[in-house]
Order: sequence, then C-alpha cells, then structure tokens
Amino acid sequence: QSALTQPASVSGSPGQSITISCTGTSSDVGGYNYVSWYQQHPGKAPKLMIYDVSNRPSGVSNRFSGSKSGNTASLTISGLQAEDEADYYCSSYTSSGLFVFGTGTKVTVL
Amino acid sequence: EVQLVESGGGLVQPGGSLRLSCAASGFTFSSYAMTWVRQAPGEGLEWVSRISDSGGSTYYADSVKGRFTISRDNSKNTLFLQMNSLRAEDTAVYYCAKSGAPLGSGRRSFDYWGQGTQVTVSS
Repeated sequence: QSALTQPASVSGSPGQSITISCTGTSSDVGGYNYVSWYQQHPGKAPKLMIYDVSNRPSGVSNRFSGSKSGNTASLTISGLQAEDEADYYCSSYTSSGLFVFGTGTKVTVL
Repeated sequence: EVQLVESGGGLVQPGGSLRLSCAASGFTFSSYAMTWVRQAPGEGLEWVSRISDSGGSTYYADSVKGRFTISRDNSKNTLFLQMNSLRAEDTAVYYCAKSGAPLGSGRRSFDYWGQGTQVTVSS
C-alpha cells in the first residue's frame, strides 16, 4: 500500500485559487470514485472537506471543490483565506478493500 | 452531536501491548463502519484498520496485520484496537473515525474524528 503522491507544499495569496493534486494508480484513485480530502490544522483532528471525488459535506465552504481525471484527483481552493492555511490529505479506497492516504500538502497563505 | 473519545494510549516498551478504546455517541453506532487512523510525530496520516457495522468484517494495513486486532461492542457503542508486539514505529497519535454514511454515497470517507490518543513505544 504505497501512499498517494501529493506536492509537499502549495502557496497562494489571499483571494487566489490553488490546486492540490493527488496521484495514485488504477487500483485506487483511478479505479473508484471514492476519493476524499481532509484538512488538518496543527494539533487538531482532520476534518472532512470533500467525499466521493467532488461532494462537499454540509457546512464546508463552496470555495472547496474536488475533481478527478484518470489516476489523479485534485482539490481546488478558490478565494484563498488565511484560515485555509493547514495540511491537506487525500484518501482513496483501494482494490484490496483497504484505504490509503496521500503524503500530505502544506498550504501556506502568503 | 457526534462525539468520538479515544482512550488507552500511553508509554509502552517494545514488544508490549496496549488496548485503545473509542467511545461513540450522537449517532447510531451499530449502523456505521469504523476506522482507526494514526499519525506519527511530524508525519502524515496512515490508515490502520477498519471494521464493518456488524463487526463481521475487518481490514488491516500490511504494517499492522497480525499484530493489531480491531473489534467493537455495539451494545456499548465502543470501538477497540488491541495492539500487540508493539514497535518503535507504531509511535503515533491514534484517531478513531466514523464512516461518512451507512450505505451509498459517503460511506468510503471519514466524516467525524476523535481528538486522538498518543501511543509511545520506547524503552
């Protein structure tokens, strides 16, 4: 079970849009529409931001959106705000019936 | 309000055992699969184990298979993780997490997480 590949860091200025990629294989990201995204602030538990590739849970800002193409999923944050500064992790269901997380991306608001 | 409260963490010597618990409230516990996720110091999230709503199906990461056992008591709304033959690399904060839905859309995500319990394996 190799971790999904994410960029280590992404940054942007307030108001800008950023995109975080999450690359897997046909046995996980590419094989199922079961990619989810989590936000984690330092010292806090992760928070679900996107499920099933592109669905937002109730209460999550519509500035967060998800998509997928082939073996790569993406999380886009539009209208970047200071409170968006956090670590972000993708996750996918796999053909083995297990789950795998991404390597994590630190988002910095400049 | 959904609440997940982990307990049972602590300092243990290599080769030792610990049993983590996760007390759930605010939802119909017996209808949802549950998962353990861990995070080593300064590292990312690692999926550890999952158990079906009934407890009849269990799944493990290769890194813990044969050493860890997940279980649940639906009458007490509690999830467990029995950890044996602990290694230094098992040192992490352990989170329990609830599946996003009992069936259909969202069931392969984790919508509520506990605050975590620290497990430290060291001599």
